[in-house]
Amino acid sequence: GAGVSQSPRYKVAKRGQDVALRCDPISGHVSLFWYQQALGQGPEFLTYFQNEAQLDKSGLPSDRFFAERPEGSVSTLKIQRTQQEDSAVYLCASSFYLGGADTQYFGPGTRLTVL
Amino acid sequence: EDKVVQSPLSLVVHEGDTVTLNCSYEVTNFRSLLWYKQEKKAPTFLFMLTSSGIEKKSGRLSSILDKKELFSILNITATQTGDSAIYLCAVGTRDDKIIFGKGTRLHILP
Repeated sequence: GAGVSQSPRYKVAKRGQDVALRCDPISGHVSLFWYQQALGQGPEFLTYFQNEAQLDKSGLPSDRFFAERPEGSVSTLKIQRTQQEDSAVYLCASSFYLGGADTQYFGPGTRLTVL
Repeated sequence: EDKVVQSPLSLVVHEGDTVTLNCSYEVTNFRSLLWYKQEKKAPTFLFMLTSSGIEKKSGRLSSILDKKELFSILNITATQTGDSAIYLCAVGTRDDKIIFGKGTRLHILP
């Protein structure tokens, strides 16, 4: 595929369930970012990977949020014991450049609804 | 605290009108200012601005940055219903962060 893909596109979880959201970046892109976008808000930074290294996780809202990118390509964002306030669209973005926050391409997002 | 503020938060105009969207910022380690268009999916890149006073144009859209006054505007002329979207302004920093505003929701009436 030519772009960033994310799966699932929609996820409904009961409060307390664990969820895993997947991001397939553009092939060859070294930088990968996760964002959380609540309804009516702009995306907010969660975490940043450079290849397999998680260089910045300062935006993760709690220790229930965990992200990995073990082989430097596909990334998974895991949310444990989901809460209603976790309901949002989770966007993944990738960039060819190191750092690359301002040269990133976004995926379509996963809309998470926690009941 | 770094922040990006967009105004107005929402705007409704008629097809053919010209609109101006505003973005002001207070960000340390500024590197670039970006505009995105977001329909019901991923944000798509419109412009990246790094220098003051140089207008960037793409069709009916144009944007300019003022680094002294810390703001940018996005202009859309001769609006069309397909321009209806959320327009996001973001600032990229030299420590590789990107901070988004809340967006301006633009609705074009036919």
